[in-house]
Amino acid sequence: EAQVTQNPRYLITVTGKKLTVTCSQNMNHEYMSWYRQDPGLGLRQIYYSMNVEVTDKGDVPEGYKVSRKEKRNFPLILESPSPNQTSLYFCASSFRGQRAEAFFGQGTRLTVV
Amino acid sequence: GQQLNQSPQSMFIQEGEDVSMNCTSSSIFNTWLWYKQDPGEGPVLLIALYKAGELTSNGRLTAQFGITRKDSFLNISASIPSDVGIYFCAGQVNNDMRFGAGTRLTVKP
Repeated sequence: EAQVTQNPRYLITVTGKKLTVTCSQNMNHEYMSWYRQDPGLGLRQIYYSMNVEVTDKGDVPEGYKVSRKEKRNFPLILESPSPNQTSLYFCASSFRGQRAEAFFGQGTRLTVV
Repeated sequence: GQQLNQSPQSMFIQEGEDVSMNCTSSSIFNTWLWYKQDPGEGPVLLIALYKAGELTSNGRLTAQFGITRKDSFLNISASIPSDVGIYFCAGQVNNDMRFGAGTRLTVKP
C-alpha cells in the first residue's frame, strides 16, 4: 500500500530535549516536505527536499533541521525544542514536476512543556 | 510566503444541503488542489486541477480552476454526515505548494 509513515504519532517532551520525528515513503517520490499545522493558520511549510542530499528552507524553518540521506526517509529534527513548537506536524511526499500531488502522513502531535 | 485566502472559515449545514467554498490569491498558480482532513488524520487529496478554466468532478464533489489562475472553488452536493471535516485548498507552482487556512464543515443529520 502506498503511504507516508510518520513516527511517533504523539509526543510530549520538555524544553531543550532534542527529538527526531521520522518520515518514510514507499512511492519512490523525489520530493518530500514537512509542514506544521496550527489553528487558523492552515499548513505552513518548514523544510522541503527536491531529492537526496538536497534540502531547502520553507516558510517557517527556524528551530528545525532536516536531512535527506536516502530517497525514502526525511526526518525532522528539533535540536532544542521550545513551547512555541507545540503543533501538529505533517510529512508529505510527491513526484517532482507539474502533477506533483502530495501524499500526507497521518501527523505527529508534539507538545513541548 | 503567500498563503491563500480561503472562505468561509466554517460552515454548519443540514444533511442534504449543497456546500460551496472558495480560495483566492494574489499570485498565479499552475495547479489547484483540494484536500480533506478528517479528525486525527493527514489531508487526503480530493481533486486536482491543472488548467485554467478546468471543471472537474469526483462523485458529489466539483471543483474549478479559475480563469485568472488566482482562484478556485469546491462544491459538494447533497451533503452527508461523513462529509464532516476540514477542507483545504492548495495552489502550486512547480513544487511550491501554498495552503489555505481551511474550511471546517459540520453536517447536522
